[in-house]
Amino acid sequence: KAGVTQTPRYLIKTRGQQVTLSCSPISGHRSVSWYQQTPGQGLQFLFEYFSETQRNKGNFPGRFSGRQFSNSRSEMNVSTLELGDSALYLCASSIISGGAGGTEAFFGQGTRLTVV
Amino acid sequence: GDSVTQMEGPVTLSEEAFLTINCTYTATGYPSLFWYVQYPGEGLQLLLKATKADDKGSNKGFEATYRKETTSFHLEKGSVQVSDSAVYFCALSPNQAGTALIFGKGTTLSVSS
Repeated sequence: KAGVTQTPRYLIKTRGQQVTLSCSPISGHRSVSWYQQTPGQGLQFLFEYFSETQRNKGNFPGRFSGRQFSNSRSEMNVSTLELGDSALYLCASSIISGGAGGTEAFFGQGTRLTVV
Repeated sequence: GDSVTQMEGPVTLSEEAFLTINCTYTATGYPSLFWYVQYPGEGLQLLLKATKADDKGSNKGFEATYRKETTSFHLEKGSVQVSDSAVYFCALSPNQAGTALIFGKGTTLSVSS
């Protein structure tokens, strides 16, 4: 069974540009969540999609957005990049959302975004 | 709101030493609790979980018991190995549809031979 696939693994962008990251969940998983990981703030929740609908959103500015397609693949977009957006962006897929009932969230290896 | 607090690292141990990483939580209702591990350059992997009070999760020699009275879920291992060197995250799920996992800041474990 293939795991969660995130592409690309590494990205270098310039301030002011925009970027799109992709996540392919495990087959059959309808929930996809995105997290930002930085040394200072740790893991911070960005948003969660379930069956193409955003069900929850973390405390991030509107520059961060996402969507989910009918095949459950998800993308997140960051516009007008800032230096502080440099981070590891992790995607997690699960059968139902948020670890409810002890369900496991499976994480991808992440996309390392560097903004210069 | 719900939150998770875990001990600051790094934790440095010699091989075969006993490991404890403390984790306490604040939550309304009855959350599920998890420990995830992140090896260098990798995403997070579920290490163990517990879904109700007094449950003990265990995997690969690691254990943690869901203590509702002390709102804790401490991770323990009797004899660590060099290969256990990683970052460990305690997390909770509020068990409500559409909610996110809430993570602690992570504890870096370094084991030397």
